[in-house]
Amino acid sequence: GENVEQHPSTLSVQEGDSAVIKCTYSDSASNYFPWYKQELGKRPQLIIDIRSNVGEKKDQRIAVTLNKTAKHFSLHITETQPEDSAVYFCAATISGGYQKVTFGTGTKLQVIP
Amino acid sequence: GAVVSQHPSRVICKSGTSVKIECRSLDFQATTMFWYRQFPKKSLMLMATSNEGSKATYEQGVEKDKFLINHASLTLSTLTVTSAHPEDSSFYICSARGDRALLYGYTFGSGTRLTVV
Repeated sequence: GENVEQHPSTLSVQEGDSAVIKCTYSDSASNYFPWYKQELGKRPQLIIDIRSNVGEKKDQRIAVTLNKTAKHFSLHITETQPEDSAVYFCAATISGGYQKVTFGTGTKLQVIP
Repeated sequence: GAVVSQHPSRVICKSGTSVKIECRSLDFQATTMFWYRQFPKKSLMLMATSNEGSKATYEQGVEKDKFLINHASLTLSTLTVTSAHPEDSSFYICSARGDRALLYGYTFGSGTRLTVV
């Protein structure tokens, strides 16, 4: 089955700096990679996703890159703000059908004002 | 769009009793629902996958008779924790995918905090 590793487990950055979270996956059949933000006690919220037919996707201050050959993908947050503080999860799955989603172990991001 | 409602948000029950958690897709048909368990400061651990009208597929190590999952309609799946014990205390969260999966990914319910005393 799929195995997703995520690093780092914790990340502290100064407000305004950039944050990068990296994930690797094992199943070359995976073709959909969502990223979720989870605040304490709340549901994970999809913040950005990328499909295997593109290498990079950007949405304002958030961007995701994918390297299919190396089987790794990364989340980039620029100009971080205190409200970006949360736990971020990467995930990998095969889009369509009844494929389950495999989550990374999470990264606790703290943005210091 | 793609809203998933989960109830209750919090429940406290006595050891030995059963608790039912509901997960409803409000504006789409959820062909597949996933049930996760999340321990504090940990990732989401998939418990089972349920497809409408068929038996749930449980992950290794998850007791089928303890965690009963029913997905009787395209908008409702339930998880029943039977004979709950303190070690079952956790955050349970459902996720649904359906006809809008390509647009909205996997939509999560708001989660249920179960405390067994």
